[in-house]
Amino acid sequence: EVQLLESGGGLVQPGGSLRLSCVASGFTFRSYAMSWVRQAPGKGLEWVSGISGRGGSTYYADSVKGRFTISRDNSKNTLYLQMSSLRAEDTAVYYCAKDRGAAHPSDFDYWGQGALVTVSS
Amino acid sequence: EIVLTQSPGTLSLSPGERATLFCRASPSVSGSYLAWYQQKPGQAPRLLIFSASFRATGIPDRFSGSGSGTDFTLTISRLEPEDFAVYYCQHYRSFGGGTKVEIK
Repeated sequence: EVQLLESGGGLVQPGGSLRLSCVASGFTFRSYAMSWVRQAPGKGLEWVSGISGRGGSTYYADSVKGRFTISRDNSKNTLYLQMSSLRAEDTAVYYCAKDRGAAHPSDFDYWGQGALVTVSS
Repeated sequence: EIVLTQSPGTLSLSPGERATLFCRASPSVSGSYLAWYQQKPGQAPRLLIFSASFRATGIPDRFSGSGSGTDFTLTISRLEPEDFAVYYCQHYRSFGGGTKVEIK
């Protein structure tokens, strides 16, 4: 059974930093691209960042480019999102999502339960 | 940048009725990467359809997808009580704004 378990969410002040983690199980982690998708309260879905299976290629939405860094440790079956210079508009539930393919974000067949990030003073 | 526009914003129907949801892409896209998701309150999205018309694992056959280029459709042939939710289309890094299917 595929499972994705996010952690690291919480309350952070504007300008602060936070690191999200997503531990994966039930599939060959290194064989699939992974993404982070967020959802602001009461709003729709927004793709944030993606990484290829081997970690050699990374992709970012314009809204987070230069502030967020995605990475993965295939030896630990773990996906990360390092977030810095956080803004109020980054407040959202952040989902870890498994891609159906290996190379780049395409579509997502499994999702974690989400981690809430709140940016507020 | 691909913009996906979903319509209608809200669809009010009764159980047993047919639901037809639309997703328009600008500019046109390859159907190979057009997906549909269902999301219920407090839950993560669930993949329903990928590559425009292929049902994901475990998805009932009352859900079907079609379309190409700029116009895509998700059809629910007969609404079950558990189908009332928000539906999103997606192409690569872009998501549509969603269609809420509510009980009439």
